[in-house]
Amino acid sequence: KAGVTQTPRYLIKTRGQQVTLSCSPISGHRSVSWYQQTPGQGLQFLFEYFSETQRNKGNFPGRFSGRQFSNSRSEMNVSTLELGDSALYLCASSFSSYEQYFGPGTRLTVT
Amino acid sequence: GENVEQHPSTLSVQEGDSAVIKCTYSDSASNYFPWYKQELGKGPQLIIDIRSNVGEKKDQRIAVTLNKTAKHFSLHITETQPEDSAVYFCAASMAGNQFYFGTGTSLTVIP
Repeated sequence: KAGVTQTPRYLIKTRGQQVTLSCSPISGHRSVSWYQQTPGQGLQFLFEYFSETQRNKGNFPGRFSGRQFSNSRSEMNVSTLELGDSALYLCASSFSSYEQYFGPGTRLTVT
Repeated sequence: GENVEQHPSTLSVQEGDSAVIKCTYSDSASNYFPWYKQELGKGPQLIIDIRSNVGEKKDQRIAVTLNKTAKHFSLHITETQPEDSAVYFCAASMAGNQFYFGTGTSLTVIP
């Protein structure tokens, strides 16, 4: 089976812009979770989608949003980018409520 | 919410020696404890996991132990090899809920 794919792999944006990241889960997986990884804060949970519904949400401002499509692919959007949003954004998919499999991530740099 | 602490933050071992990484969690309702290995430029890779109804699980050179009473779990790597060098993360979750990650352990195996 193909693994979790994320596009784009690298992105450079300017403060104030918005960005959309995409995640394609492993075939058959209906749950997609998003994480932000930074050297200072580690892996922080953003949100999880299951069958097109947001099931869990972390403590991030409303500028961070997501959605999931009927084919389980997911997108996350960050509006009004800030310098502190520079991070590796990771997507993980899961078939059950247990094992999560991560993609390679999207490296976002905000200048 | 759940709080996961991970120690040590860095660990250096000689090739062939064993490595042990420890995590503690705070929420007694957590029942799933995975371990991830992250190599430079890649997403975290699930290497082993354990559920709360089991005290120990082993997969070749890797083992995980869980002490529910003390709320701690550990990763044991025996006969370490240079390719084991990476950052290791522990996590805790309750089925259907978000994962809480430790802050990571950078393991270096010295040839």
